[in-house]
Amino acid sequence: LAKTTQPISMDSYEGQEVNITCSHNNIATNDYITWYQQFPSQGPRFIIQGYKTKVTNEVASLFIPADRKSSTLSLPRVSLSDTAVYYCLVGDMETGANNLFFGTGTRLTVIP
Amino acid sequence: DAGVTQSPTHLIKTRGQQVTLRCSPISGHKSVSWYQQVLGQGPQFIFQYYEKEERGRGNFPDRFSARQFPNYSSELNVNALLLGDSALYLCASSRTSGFSYEQYFGPGTRLTVT
Repeated sequence: LAKTTQPISMDSYEGQEVNITCSHNNIATNDYITWYQQFPSQGPRFIIQGYKTKVTNEVASLFIPADRKSSTLSLPRVSLSDTAVYYCLVGDMETGANNLFFGTGTRLTVIP
Repeated sequence: DAGVTQSPTHLIKTRGQQVTLRCSPISGHKSVSWYQQVLGQGPQFIFQYYEKEERGRGNFPDRFSARQFPNYSSELNVNALLLGDSALYLCASSRTSGFSYEQYFGPGTRLTVT
C-alpha cells in the first residue's frame, strides 16, 4: 500500500494558481494517482486521476514526473469556493478499494 | 439524475446499541463502498460490495457488517456501539463493473454515540 505525504494546510489569495504537491515514494508500477476534494459536511468529490505526465480536465491539472514519486495538483485561478480539503490517493485499480487510502489531506484556504 | 443518497442524516445512539445506516447508489451503479470519517481525518475504507457480494473489507472489527440488495442499495450495521464509533459514515458508488477510483460519495450519516 503506497502511502502519501501532503502539506497539512495551504493559504492562497483569490485568482491565484494553487499547486499542491503529494509525495509517494513507494508508488508501484500498477498504481494510479487520484485526487479528491471535500467540503465540510459533504462527501469527497473526484477531481482528477492520472498515471504519468500530465492530465487536464475542466477543473484541474495533474502533473506527474517521469519517476512518479510525486505529483502536483494544479488549480487555476482559485476562488473562495475552492476552500476545501484535498486528498491525494495512490493505489492499484486491480486490487480493489482496500487501497483507497485518503490520509489527512491538505486543507486549502482561499483568502479574499 | 439523483446522486448517492443516505439515511438518516443524523443519528444519536447510546453505547452498546446497534445502528443501521442506509445508502442508495446512483442509478446504474452496481458497486457500493462504505467509509468512516472521524473528525479531522480522511475517510477510512470499511467495505466494498458489488453485485451483492463483498469485494473488500478494511481494518474494522466484526461489529461492523454490511450487505447489498438486488436493487444495489446497501446497509451498514454496527453492533455494540462504542464512543469511538462516533463519526461521519460515507457511502460511495461507482459505475464500472469492477472497482474504480472515480467514486461518487453521498452526504454521509453523522453518528453520535453517547
